[in-house]
Amino acid sequence: QVQLVQSGAEVKKPGASVKVSCKASRYTFTDYYIHWVRQAPGQGLEWMGWISPKSGGTHYAQKFQGRVTMTRDTSINTAYMDLSSLRSDDTAVYYCARDPGGGLDDYFDYWGQGTLVTVSS
Amino acid sequence: QSVLTQPPSVSGAPGQRVTISCTGSSSNIGAGYNVHWYLQLPGTAPKLLIYGNNNRPSEIPDRFSGSKSGTSASLAITGLQAEDEADYYCQSYDSSLSGSVFGGGTKLTVL
Repeated sequence: QVQLVQSGAEVKKPGASVKVSCKASRYTFTDYYIHWVRQAPGQGLEWMGWISPKSGGTHYAQKFQGRVTMTRDTSINTAYMDLSSLRSDDTAVYYCARDPGGGLDDYFDYWGQGTLVTVSS
Repeated sequence: QSVLTQPPSVSGAPGQRVTISCTGSSSNIGAGYNVHWYLQLPGTAPKLLIYGNNNRPSEIPDRFSGSKSGTSASLAITGLQAEDEADYYCQSYDSSLSGSVFGGGTKLTVL
């Protein structure tokens, strides 16, 4: 069974950065895009962007451009999402999710367990 | 405000049929992009329910079905069960935003 295991909860101060990891297993990591989606407390899902583990190519949602960086380390089958200049409204659960097709309107078939990032002074 | 519009809540009695709508525009659903649906139980990650408008992963029972027409899509659940009580989200692609978009989510209550 495909697994995406994320790093643990983080507490950050406003203005800081956070880096969340997503370790993939039981499939060929470089064959599937990884997307990042976040969910603020009591709110809906918000798409942040994707990374191609094979090429390292990325595409970010307009809202996060300039603040988010997605990277990967193929030697350990892990994707990363780095969000900088954190604000209180960045407090959310951050999910990584696998994209089985890589097309524009593709879906997410497996999700990580989520990482709670709390931004508070 | 979400690009895709869903009703905040729907409800139904056990055994009944409910539908959840997902309304978009000419830059997403109306442009022909696929619609997908997810179920989210409290405190857990979303789970894929329907992909490509009307396809179910093998582990999803056929009580769940999806459809799409024009600028809208719908999720139908028949034979409602207590364990169906959850939040449901639609997702598609928006060409104006050049990215994936989600609906605001619908909370299903089983009476």
